[in-house]
Amino acid sequence: DAGVIQSPRHEVTEMGQEVTLRCKPISGHDYLFWYRQTMMRGLELLIYFNNNVPIDDSGMPEDRFSAKMPNASFSTLKIQPSEPRDSAVYFCASSLGFQPQHFGDGTRLSIL
Amino acid sequence: DAKTTQPTSMDCAEGRAANLPCNHSTISGNEYVYWYRQIHSQGPQYIIHGLKNNETNEMASLIITEDRKSSTLILPHATLRDTAVYYCIVRGTWNYGGSQGNLIFGKGTKLSVKP
Repeated sequence: DAGVIQSPRHEVTEMGQEVTLRCKPISGHDYLFWYRQTMMRGLELLIYFNNNVPIDDSGMPEDRFSAKMPNASFSTLKIQPSEPRDSAVYFCASSLGFQPQHFGDGTRLSIL
Repeated sequence: DAKTTQPTSMDCAEGRAANLPCNHSTISGNEYVYWYRQIHSQGPQYIIHGLKNNETNEMASLIITEDRKSSTLILPHATLRDTAVYYCIVRGTWNYGGSQGNLIFGKGTKLSVKP
């Protein structure tokens, strides 16, 4: 079974550039989550969607971050403009209802 | 903030049982205990969860004390591939639009399985 698929696996870009992270959830799952992991703050929930609708974005750090889910099989997390402090590993996860979340292998983002 | 307390690190000999403790003294009646692990450079992986009864699956066993204030994850025969950070998470019932059902990850226990 295909798990949660994230792309790219690694992204290195310069400060000020727009960054787009992509996620394909497990087919049939109706919840999608975006997390960020850093050494300082650990693993934090940024936003989650239910049936493609954003439900709770209280974890999004600031307006430079935005997330969309145009359909049930695709979501993006965008940072514009990017800053060095955005460097982190970003994970996408999906679940069917309240069942356990399944995580992708993440995108390692480095902003120079 | 995470509602759990775990040791920072533990060692286990390959082939032996790994017993990972977790304290969750403020757990409420409708909150579940979840365990995830994160192997280096991978996303967190679900292991097991329970409410009040002990649970077992193909990966591990979860023992929850009768007062529910602590639990133990047991990997019965640890292998080198079980080396990872293990997270114990207390998760509430999900209210639509609320945060009680969110997974809040603490720092976890770094388990090192040694040959």
